Amino acid sequence: EAGVAQSPRYKIIEKRQSVAFWCNPISGHATLYWYQQILGQGPKLLIQFQNNGVVDDSQLPKDRFSAERLKGVDSTLKIQPAKLEDSAVYLCASSIGYGVWDTEAFFGQGTRLTVV
Amino acid sequence: EDKVVQSPLSLVVHEGDTVTLNCSYEVTNFRSLLWYKQEKKAPTFLFMLTSSGIEKKSGRLSSILDKKELFSILNITATQTGDSAIYLCAVESGGAGSYQLTFGKGTKLSVIP
Repeated sequence: EAGVAQSPRYKIIEKRQSVAFWCNPISGHATLYWYQQILGQGPKLLIQFQNNGVVDDSQLPKDRFSAERLKGVDSTLKIQPAKLEDSAVYLCASSIGYGVWDTEAFFGQGTRLTVV
Repeated sequence: EDKVVQSPLSLVVHEGDTVTLNCSYEVTNFRSLLWYKQEKKAPTFLFMLTSSGIEKKSGRLSSILDKKELFSILNITATQTGDSAIYLCAVESGGAGSYQLTFGKGTKLSVIP
């Protein structure tokens, strides 16, 4: 079974530059999540999609972060412009379940972003 | 290909029992092993382990890493119904200029009164 695919795996950019991450969830999974994980902390939910609609983006810094899931499958997360504090691992996850996280979610391998 | 295997996949215990969850891994360029508790929209970080043989404790939870045998265990003593969740193990790996975070499938723990 193919898992959640993310790219790139690793990115180094200078502050004020832009960066984009891509995620391809498991086929048939309606719900897609983007997380930001800072070293030593748990993942923070940035945005949750259900198909191509946004369910929860309350913790997304909308002045610089944006995400889309146009056809209800792949998703991209963009940061523009990046700040030093954006250095983190960005995780994508998908699940079959709708709404409340009561079903198993599958994580991608993450993208480690370093902003210098 | 990096691999993280958790066992058991599911477990049902009674309140007050002690449980041990297992996580074994095969990765290239190990960096750290992380344990999470997954019950709501975002997993809760429990422990990060980088060194062998040093137990980390937080209340009734403890964890230890064995880098020689490539596994970690998560212990929960005096379990409570609030411990019911999926426990995820993940391993960070990768050399300079590369990175990967590989998750296990999780252990679903159900604690019944």
